[in-house]
Amino acid sequence: DIQMTQSPSSLSASVGDRVSFTCRASLSIGTYLNWYQQKPGKAPKLLIYGASNLQSGVPSRFSGSGSGTDFTLTISSLQPEDFASYFCQQSHAFPHTFGLGTKLQIK
Amino acid sequence: EVQMVESGGGLVQPGGSLRLSCSASGFILSDYAMSWVRQAPGKGLEWVSIISGGGGTTYYADSVKGRFTISRDTSDKTLYLQMNSLRLEDTAIYYCARDRVAYLASGSYYVEWGQGALVTVSS
Repeated sequence: DIQMTQSPSSLSASVGDRVSFTCRASLSIGTYLNWYQQKPGKAPKLLIYGASNLQSGVPSRFSGSGSGTDFTLTISSLQPEDFASYFCQQSHAFPHTFGLGTKLQIK
Repeated sequence: EVQMVESGGGLVQPGGSLRLSCSASGFILSDYAMSWVRQAPGKGLEWVSIISGGGGTTYYADSVKGRFTISRDTSDKTLYLQMNSLRLEDTAIYYCARDRVAYLASGSYYVEWGQGALVTVSS
């Protein structure tokens, strides 16, 4: 199975900050990488698919980049509603594994 | 409006069985592959299983292979997850999620999710 490693596991930041999270695959997955946001008690929400494609309705402050094994999710200017957990998922090969997530907390 | 509602969760003893249902509305079930994703309390997401739109192809995570069975009934618009030989580590919220297309391929992602059903395995 393809292992997905996310870093950091948690991050503290302030409103207005620019933050980035990374996701590394254990082997090359091309651009078959998705990013989800999850808030407590809620289902995940798709932010980015195909490594860099912004899902409809997602604010443009979110962006994704990368290919192969290394990927990045960037939030250009944090808003209060962005404090949540973020998960990457590879869809290159089954099982479509998720990373363990990055929890973004208010500083 | 697309809606997916899970049901069938609850408390079960180790070694027991449970069947989860995901009732779909607002779209044609056979037009999409469907998945189950779970989340243990305070933990991350774990991909569990997927079934193609036609129902003929399935995949499972190694952690559930041989114990869980995914199926669908397009006539009653319901996705199922039959869970047998349940273990303590199967305790989680189980989400059903809709893929972007009917066939199973690289590049899938989940836009639509249910609200989740809690399964607790405990003696």
